[in-house]
Amino acid sequence: AQSVAQPEDQVNVAEGNPLTVKCTYSVSGNPYLFWYVQYPNRGLQFLLKYITGDNLVKGSYGFEAEFNKSQTSFHLKKPSALVSDSALYFCAVRRPFSSGSARQLTFGSGTQLTVLP
Amino acid sequence: ETGVTQTPRHLVMGMTNKKSLKCEQHLGHNAMYWYKQSAKKPLELMFVYSLEERVENNSVPSRFSPECPNSSHLFLHLHTLQPEDSALYLCASSQDVGQGVFNYGYTFGSGTRLTVV
Repeated sequence: AQSVAQPEDQVNVAEGNPLTVKCTYSVSGNPYLFWYVQYPNRGLQFLLKYITGDNLVKGSYGFEAEFNKSQTSFHLKKPSALVSDSALYFCAVRRPFSSGSARQLTFGSGTQLTVLP
Repeated sequence: ETGVTQTPRHLVMGMTNKKSLKCEQHLGHNAMYWYKQSAKKPLELMFVYSLEERVENNSVPSRFSPECPNSSHLFLHLHTLQPEDSALYLCASSQDVGQGVFNYGYTFGSGTRLTVV
């Protein structure tokens, strides 16, 4: 079975400071990893993904994430936070070339990011 | 606009009512999903349709009934709901034909905020 853990329900950071939202995963084989963002009363929006290649992936709105296989982590980062980055962030994993229920994305429980002015 | 449209955006219904949620995707995807998002809980996968056939039913109560008449449309029929069914219902789509051919991720609609009174 595959799973995702987002250990922090809430992350607060001051505007202009770097931010990190943590994600660890458990899956057999090489993972496909995703970050999504959700603004209030909206659906999830795709931010970035890791499929293969460079461990550092860059996505929308200046976000990036680093795939660390040895630590089974895929933390989301941004060098300088904006108030408008305040939202709910979800990490997700799936196993490539799988079938049945394992083919689906498994989401973490989400981390609420608040950027303080 | 993500290419996945959900209607209505908000719905208030009594426990004895019958209503339906609608989802339409204009992305040419062949798999569609219903998720339930409750406050402070992980996203719950309710139903999956791939190539218009239901492939997942994660023990959702029978008061929720999905329908997928074609690859572009997905419905969630609701009847005799309970107050605990109040939540944000999200529809998503992806390109997924299984058999080792993978999809990268999902595109979500903005959701229907359901309140059961």
